[in-house]
Amino acid sequence: EPEVTQTPSHQVTQMGQEVILRCVPISNHLYFYWYRQILGQKVEFLVSFYNNEISEKSEIFDDQFSVERPDGSNFTLKIRSTKLEDSAMYFCASRNNVGEKTQYFGPGTRLLVL
Amino acid sequence: GESVGLHLPTLSVQEGDNSIINCAYSNSASDYFIWYKQESGKGPQFIIDIRSNMDKRQGQRVTVLLNKTVKHLSLQIAATQPGDSAVYFCAENMRGGKLIFGQGTELSVKP
Repeated sequence: EPEVTQTPSHQVTQMGQEVILRCVPISNHLYFYWYRQILGQKVEFLVSFYNNEISEKSEIFDDQFSVERPDGSNFTLKIRSTKLEDSAMYFCASRNNVGEKTQYFGPGTRLLVL
Repeated sequence: GESVGLHLPTLSVQEGDNSIINCAYSNSASDYFIWYKQESGKGPQFIIDIRSNMDKRQGQRVTVLLNKTVKHLSLQIAATQPGDSAVYFCAENMRGGKLIFGQGTELSVKP
């Protein structure tokens, strides 16, 4: 069964450093999302992406964040200058088309900013 | 505003019993709801969904009920098993596709 994959599974970085989180969505999916989950809290929407552009972004997704689909398979989230409060699990999700609303999530990347 | 919340943060059941997890939502315009299961250290796993033009949907051992009058959603798990132990989130699909998640209910199944 196809699934969303994410790399790395864990990332430790120093405050102020740039990180790139990578995702490979399900191959025939067209809509891509990033969410984050701070430890012990609910999953929060960050950004949605369709047709090579951002569809919607949350207040969390400020100028330090960017997303990219550099090729036909990868979908990346970049944090330019990490802050302590960026420490969280970051989940990528994808879905097929407008008629299919179910989003399928990857296993997540645990980011720890020191 | 937009919010999806859960009534019970923790639920402990005996193996073999039925479990009921509840959720309240506030956006009456939402047309699609999803239940996800999240095991420790893993991503949310789709369980079952329901559209707003339905009031009940059944899957394998799971049933979702939707009451639009009181904006309430529930997940029923029949014959709960130890493998069902996890945190369960309801999520509301907003216009544009983003999901708004509730706080989560931790289900603990005692053998």
